[in-house]
Amino acid sequence: KQEVTQIPAALSVPEGENLVLNCSFTDSAIYNLQWFRQDPGKGLTSLLLIQSSQREQTSGRLNASLDKSSGRSTLYIAASQPGDSATYLCAVRKETSGSRLTFGEGTQLTVNP
Amino acid sequence: EPEVTQTPSHQVTQMGQEVILRCVPISNHLYFYWYRQILGQKVEFLVSFYNNEISEKSEIFDDQFSVERPDGSNFTLKIRSTKLEDSAMYFCASSARGGTNTQYFGPGTRLTVL
Repeated sequence: KQEVTQIPAALSVPEGENLVLNCSFTDSAIYNLQWFRQDPGKGLTSLLLIQSSQREQTSGRLNASLDKSSGRSTLYIAASQPGDSATYLCAVRKETSGSRLTFGEGTQLTVNP
Repeated sequence: EPEVTQTPSHQVTQMGQEVILRCVPISNHLYFYWYRQILGQKVEFLVSFYNNEISEKSEIFDDQFSVERPDGSNFTLKIRSTKLEDSAMYFCASSARGGTNTQYFGPGTRLTVL
C-alpha cells in the first residue's frame, strides 16, 4: 500500500527566505506526483504536476523535483512571501491504481513579515 | 479561468439522514472524483467516475455512498444514512483525461453530522 510522508509537519520562516519542503513515498511505481496548496478551510489549489518521466517542473517561484527511484520529491519556494503561508500537500498517482491520488499529511508553512 | 464548484459550502444533518453533495466539474473534463478530509487528517480518495460509471473506488466507499451524473454538468455524491464519522470536508475534483492529467479540486463541502 502506498504511503506518502511529508517533512517537516510545520515550518516557520522569515519573509524572503528560500525553503524546501519534502515528500517521500514508499512505492516508486508512480505515474505522476502533484503538489497542492491548501489555505485554512479551503479547497486544494494545484501548483505543479510532475510526470514520472520528468525530473522537475517550474512555475514562477516554485520548483518541484522528482527522484522516482528513491521515492522522493521536493518543492522549492524561492524568496518566500507572507502570502505563501498555507499547507502544502503532495499526492502521488500509482501506476496501477487508476487515477486515485494518495496524499501526504502536508507541511504547514508560515512566512513571517 | 474555469473552476470546479461545489454546493452547499456547509451542510448540517442529523445522523441517519440522507445527504446529496453537488459538484459542477470543469466543462470539458471527462474524469470526476470525490475525496474527503476528516478534520486534522489526510485527504482520502473515495471514488472516480468516467463514462457514466465508477472506474475506481476505495474501501471507504461502501454501500452507503453512491455517485451520479444526472445531467451534462452536475456530479453528485449521495450518502444514504449518515453516521457521525461521515463528518468531513468533501472535495470534488475533475481532470481532462485520466491519470496523466492534473486534477482540479473544488472548494469543498463541509458536512457536519449531529
